[in-house]
Amino acid sequence: AQRVTQPEKLLSVFKGAPVELKCNYSYSGSPELFWYVQYSRQRLQLLLRHISRESIKGFTADLNKGETSFHLKKPFAQEEDSAMYYCALSSSNTGKLIFGQGTTLQVKP
Amino acid sequence: KAGVTQTPRYLIKTRGQQVTLSCSPISGHRSVSWYQQTPGQGLQFLFEYFSETQRNKGNFPGRFSGRQFSNSRSEMNVSTLELGDSALYLCASSLAPSGGSNTEAFFGQGTRLTVV
Repeated sequence: AQRVTQPEKLLSVFKGAPVELKCNYSYSGSPELFWYVQYSRQRLQLLLRHISRESIKGFTADLNKGETSFHLKKPFAQEEDSAMYYCALSSSNTGKLIFGQGTTLQVKP
Repeated sequence: KAGVTQTPRYLIKTRGQQVTLSCSPISGHRSVSWYQQTPGQGLQFLFEYFSETQRNKGNFPGRFSGRQFSNSRSEMNVSTLELGDSALYLCASSLAPSGGSNTEAFFGQGTRLTVV
């Protein structure tokens, strides 16, 4: 079954600390992985996708097919990073986005 | 350019009624997907439309239906509403159907449906 798991509902760190939001997936084939972010009172928006291999707002994510993971990392968290983060998978078979349950990142001053 | 627009933003309905939600995609986007967001289940895929054809459907009962018009605008209908249908319904548009290139999904603000 296709599934995305985000084990942490809430991650709380201090400003300047490193951040890692975990995402594991279950999919047979070559999935396309994404991270979406939802800031307070704003719409859900794409943060980054694995095929582009870019860094957005200091965040990076590497697809590890061996561990079926796509963890989101940032070396130094900022208060403005506080938001809900969703990991998602898109399969070419079904064409739908499968989301994890989301992790709330809270960056304390 | 204007983003994805969903109307109405808020809706209160009574059990047993039906409801229609509307989504206007970004100009030029031909693919529209719908998602249900609840605290317990998170974001769940409802269906996807491309060029007026439903491409994919999630695991929702037949009470949930949708359609897409020639101008790519989409509507979602829920009949015989149940209390458990209370949720935030999100619409997303993209240039191309999911699974291909140019598939970045742009989301609307959502319609908050409350069933009482």
